[in-house]
Amino acid sequence: DAKTTQPPSMDCAEGRAANLPCNHSTISGNEYVYWYRQIHSQGPQYIIHGLKNNETNEMASLIITEDRKSSTLILPHATLRDTAVYYCIVRVAGDKLVFGAGTILRVKS
Amino acid sequence: GAVVSQHPSWVICKSGTSVKIECRSLDFQATTMFWYRQFPKQSLMLMATSNEGSKATYEQGVEKDKFLINHASLTLSTLTVTSAHPEDSSFYICSAREARRINTEAFFGQGTRLTVV
Repeated sequence: DAKTTQPPSMDCAEGRAANLPCNHSTISGNEYVYWYRQIHSQGPQYIIHGLKNNETNEMASLIITEDRKSSTLILPHATLRDTAVYYCIVRVAGDKLVFGAGTILRVKS
Repeated sequence: GAVVSQHPSWVICKSGTSVKIECRSLDFQATTMFWYRQFPKQSLMLMATSNEGSKATYEQGVEKDKFLINHASLTLSTLTVTSAHPEDSSFYICSAREARRINTEAFFGQGTRLTVV
């Protein structure tokens, strides 16, 4: 699986958009970008995934650059409950998920 | 979304005893389940991949005789920590992927916190 690079931590004001970057410069053509988050002492929660097109669901938007070497997860209106560790993972469909260190997002009032 | 349930949520056991953790997919069939371990302030570490009806595939460095995995049905996988010791105390998490839908997300259980005293 391609390695991802994420900032170790970020702060965001409540109500503002949270933009979490992820670098995956060695991603291959058949690897998808997945985002999960983990709130303290809980199992990870799926957020969104994509291959090359931008994706949006009720939780977030995923913007993937044209060369697919990086992506950004956008939480449009962050709330205190969005404070969590966010993991960006790339993998081939059907393969195991390998977690990196992730980004600690702290949403502050 | 799909639901994956782990049981128990937490367990305390004495050193030397064995503990079994269950992982169930409640509303879908899971050909493959994954087991992770997470120590405090660390990321999830994949321990093994469990395939229904066959032997589990363990990651490098994970003792297969200590962490017994059974995936007897499409909705249940179990992890047994044998002869547990304090260093096995950790947060154990399973995930499951729906059968025949490999190009989709995996869902995670709520985790089991094991404390060995």
